[in-house]
Amino acid sequence: QSALTQPASVSGSPGQSITISCTGTSSDVGGYNYVSWYQQHPGKAPKLMIYEVSNRPSGVPDRFSGSKSGNTASLTISGLQAEDEADYYCSSYTSSSTPVFGGGTKLTVL
Amino acid sequence: QVQLVQSGAEVKKPGASVKVSCKASGYTFTSYDINWVRQATGQGLEWMGWMNPNSGNTGYAQKFQGRVTMTRNTSISTAYMELSSLRSEDTAVYYCARAAGWNRRDPWGQGTLVTVSS
Repeated sequence: QSALTQPASVSGSPGQSITISCTGTSSDVGGYNYVSWYQQHPGKAPKLMIYEVSNRPSGVPDRFSGSKSGNTASLTISGLQAEDEADYYCSSYTSSSTPVFGGGTKLTVL
Repeated sequence: QVQLVQSGAEVKKPGASVKVSCKASGYTFTSYDINWVRQATGQGLEWMGWMNPNSGNTGYAQKFQGRVTMTRNTSISTAYMELSSLRSEDTAVYYCARAAGWNRRDPWGQGTLVTVSS
């Protein structure tokens, strides 16, 4: 199973909105509503931010939102804050009954 | 609170095996699968497999078939991941994560650095 495709980096200024894309195929992102997003700060464990495309776990700010269109899922962060600077990974369930991760996107808050 | 606490860093020689533990607290250990995910330095996340602590059933990524074994001790709410025939490319941080639903991992353990070096 090939990794999902994410941009290597994105950036934005405080208060702005950014969107991170996650492109797969009809065998993963396009075929199931089981896309999740993880935030990882340097030296820390990943943290679940979005599950099942657009659901936020309790405690995750509503500035974080997820969506999907066709074979591409997206994570949008609005009202960007300095603490949002981190790596973000998408993940999807696949037709092989196993999950696959994206390559990760480094978010820089300017 | 729900928490997963992993064992400490390991240094192993090529060809050896390593066993990482993951102790769960704050929830019923047998009610959720445990996933193992690894991350080489500066690289992305790589899913290794899952284990159902209730039944002991497991499923491994094809890449690790034959080299990885996931087990548990329900009396102490602890999951284990053993990787054998280690090579330098296995140097990475290994994470356990509680899995719910089809693709939801939360929370994650703090990670265990495994270094493979002669």
